[in-house]
Amino acid sequence: GAGVSQSPRYKVAKRGQDVALRCDPISGHVSLFWYQQALGQGPEFLTYFQNEAQLDKSGLPSDRFFAERPEGSVSTLKIQRTQQEDSAVYLCASSPGQQTTFGSGTRLTVV
Amino acid sequence: QKEVEQNSGPLSVPEGAIASLNCTYSDRGSQSFFWYRQYSGKSPELIMFIYSNGDKEDGRFTAQLNKASQYVSLLIRDSQPSDSATYLCAVATGGGNKLTFGTGTQLKVEL
Repeated sequence: GAGVSQSPRYKVAKRGQDVALRCDPISGHVSLFWYQQALGQGPEFLTYFQNEAQLDKSGLPSDRFFAERPEGSVSTLKIQRTQQEDSAVYLCASSPGQQTTFGSGTRLTVV
Repeated sequence: QKEVEQNSGPLSVPEGAIASLNCTYSDRGSQSFFWYRQYSGKSPELIMFIYSNGDKEDGRFTAQLNKASQYVSLLIRDSQPSDSATYLCAVATGGGNKLTFGTGTQLKVEL
């Protein structure tokens, strides 16, 4: 596709519910990143894939967060047993090398 | 100390003036530096990147890098109301060019 596509754009989850956020990167981009952006803050790194390999997951805040990219293209970020502090915008980004392009994000609200 | 620091603003400049946005970083080994623009409710958009000491110009934008002082800046000449946004400074760290962001500086260009 022409850009990084994320779905859904908005998600409201009840506390304790599991959610899955999808990212479709720019075709051919080897690198894929997930970031979390809280209101009024800059994006914070969560995890990084090179093709299907998850090379860095140091930013995942807890074991409730899990990401995968099984075929080296589409990626899914899963959050289990959501908590209120998980409310944020989740940004997916892809890169062919140096320059990173962001998707529109998924705004998650946990109530 | 945060790894990437920016003044949160708001920075207000009149239309047609030069806006100067500043950023400092703590990791001396950082090699790549980026400026993203983020409109309210939108995703970050890359506007400039710089790898070498000195100035890099692109249209109305100039990025400046001083690795000895661990300082990056962005100058916007002939500021327009459409430049009103939050400007995020980002530094590439670690493998795969994961980005560490500052909290962003809000710029307001007034008529």
